[in-house]
Amino acid sequence: DTGVSQDPRHKITKRGQNVTFRCDPISEHNRLYWYRQTLGQGPEFLTYFQNEAQLEKSRLLSDRFSAERPKGSFSTLEIQRTEQGDSAMYLCASRATATENTEAFFGQGTRLTVV
Amino acid sequence: AQTVTQSQPEMSVQEAETVTLSCTYDTSESNYYLFWYKQPPSRQMILVIRQEAYKQQNATENRFSVNFQKAAKSFSLKISDSQLGDTAMYFCAFMKGRDDKIIFGKGTRLHILP
Repeated sequence: DTGVSQDPRHKITKRGQNVTFRCDPISEHNRLYWYRQTLGQGPEFLTYFQNEAQLEKSRLLSDRFSAERPKGSFSTLEIQRTEQGDSAMYLCASRATATENTEAFFGQGTRLTVV
Repeated sequence: AQTVTQSQPEMSVQEAETVTLSCTYDTSESNYYLFWYKQPPSRQMILVIRQEAYKQQNATENRFSVNFQKAAKSFSLKISDSQLGDTAMYFCAFMKGRDDKIIFGKGTRLHILP
């Protein structure tokens, strides 16, 4: 078990371009979360999945953001028409809800810079 | 909506000292889960300690312990015999139920000084 993996680790893109990030959770973890973290701030909830079902999407999230988890394993987060305000660290986390263990395991994140 | 507040943006203590990080939260739920996560510089976030609201006994993990005051909606973290490796951002977090999302505070940056 290699933990939660995120790809790429860093992404620099020009304003207006689309970007897609990938998260591979710990195998058999049915719950997957996406967060956004700006410098010096706490992780801000974006969305989460139970298997392939998207349970909730933050009301603060623009329609330019979309996430999916097609087979209940890896997940992708896409940002369309990126803006400079999208520059942040995007974190993915996973956990198994079938157990009493409530610990969420985080990946190292994808740092997005929009220029 | 649930909120988590950490009132100490930054703290510094000498190695081997004890330090307490504060956290308050707001919820109308009676059962929920509270966490402290640690995020070292340029490294991923890891769980330090957790507390189930229905448990009256404060959680302890080696040098880390919490003071959970349910009525006051307070959840502070105490680090005893602090070590240089404790230098990190610490986030207090709240989860309404076992199947809900996790809400984080803004964090406290802790520096352990040699």
